[in-house]
Amino acid sequence: DQQVKQNSPSLSVQEGRISILNCDYTNSMFDYFLWYKKYPAEGPTFLISISSIKDKNEDGRFTVFLNKSAKHLSLHIVPSQPGDSAVYFCAASGVGDDKIIFGKGTRLHILP
Amino acid sequence: KAGVTQTPRYLIKTRGQQVTLSCSPISGHRSVSWYQQTPGQGLQFLFEYFSETQRNKGNFPGRFSGRQFSNSRSEMNVSTLELGDSALYLCASSRGRREETQYFGPGTRLLVL
Repeated sequence: DQQVKQNSPSLSVQEGRISILNCDYTNSMFDYFLWYKKYPAEGPTFLISISSIKDKNEDGRFTVFLNKSAKHLSLHIVPSQPGDSAVYFCAASGVGDDKIIFGKGTRLHILP
Repeated sequence: KAGVTQTPRYLIKTRGQQVTLSCSPISGHRSVSWYQQTPGQGLQFLFEYFSETQRNKGNFPGRFSGRQFSNSRSEMNVSTLELGDSALYLCASSRGRREETQYFGPGTRLLVL
């Protein structure tokens, strides 16, 4: 069963606009969430994280929102830039468990 | 400081063979995790080693095994290869606590014919 779900395999956004990537999770024990970005032929790189005690975390152009009641988180990128074109993975881990569970990823295309 | 390195970068094997992949973590990192990435399944957790002990394990068959050495370098072994084992195998290192950022290597792309 997929505990971390990214239901959109791909997303296209105009350069300069906002990109919103969504992620849903099913395990109520998850309390720490991360986003990773991956370019072809490279390993994923950490982007931003959020603990369940918060509902928002911001780092420059990247903001992650967490809605615990809906078991939903989203990554906002504003403004979107060409270099943001990549695959984005949502990930989560639970209380007392160091294992990190990844979603299947969403491929983001930034259009000129 | 040097990043996570993985060797080899590319590998072609035939069904039934076995393969060993290597991962050298960032200096000072004691945790190494292994993941399998396939187009349909995304990143799937294989196992994690911390201080030479397997600390966590994903839902993969026993053909997938690993170990970690005293210098934190880790190896992953897959025996009796199947066509479905063709994937990108990624390793990631961190200091060990889950809030610590995991740093990924570039991966080893394995093709099983």
